[in-house]
Amino acid sequence: GDSVTQMEGPVTLSEEAFLTINCTYTATGYPSLFWYVQYPGEGLQLLLKATKADDKGSNKGFEATYRKETTSFHLEKGSVQVSDSAVYFCALTPNSGNTPLVFGKGTRLSVIA
Amino acid sequence: EAQVTQNPRYLITVTGKKLTVTCSQNMNHEYMSWYRQDPGLGLRQIYYSMNVEVTDKGDVPEGYKVSRKEKRNFPLILESPSPNQTSLYFCASSDVGAWGGYEQYFGPGTRLTVT
Repeated sequence: GDSVTQMEGPVTLSEEAFLTINCTYTATGYPSLFWYVQYPGEGLQLLLKATKADDKGSNKGFEATYRKETTSFHLEKGSVQVSDSAVYFCALTPNSGNTPLVFGKGTRLSVIA
Repeated sequence: EAQVTQNPRYLITVTGKKLTVTCSQNMNHEYMSWYRQDPGLGLRQIYYSMNVEVTDKGDVPEGYKVSRKEKRNFPLILESPSPNQTSLYFCASSDVGAWGGYEQYFGPGTRLTVT
């Protein structure tokens, strides 16, 4: 079945450091790919998404590019802030059928001043 | 304001005492879903619903029931809770069938402790 693998955390960075969180997927066809973010004490919210190969999703300084050749959707940010401390989830859905959203296990990011 | 609400936010109960966690959305979404979040396991889907009176099992449905009598509501029922159901629960909704790039909107979560 479909699956998502993301790098295990926790990840601790200093403010203004460069962030990469790796995400790879296994799926048939052409899934849509997502990054969700969960701030402390809150539910998940969509950070960015890409629905076809070579699309780049971006939001709040974060970016991820849909790479079908490497089945990857790595999350990047050039300069993290303390307020970016959260848990980040990579996820996918197929573009047809009835399979629900499939999540990776999440990566906790802590940014220190 | 578009939102998914859950109640209660926190619940401590004892083994075997039936409970219901309510979920409501005001976005007229067809698709609704319940997840549980556990350390080291990420989010796992419990049940989902494609529309009124249409529900289906997710990855971990054992010990849970759901119903979808109205489009906006999707309660999660634990008939006889056990300690292994202690978890953080999220309700979510989206347009269509949660495929094709549609965003899922999540509630704030319900932290359940079963002693």
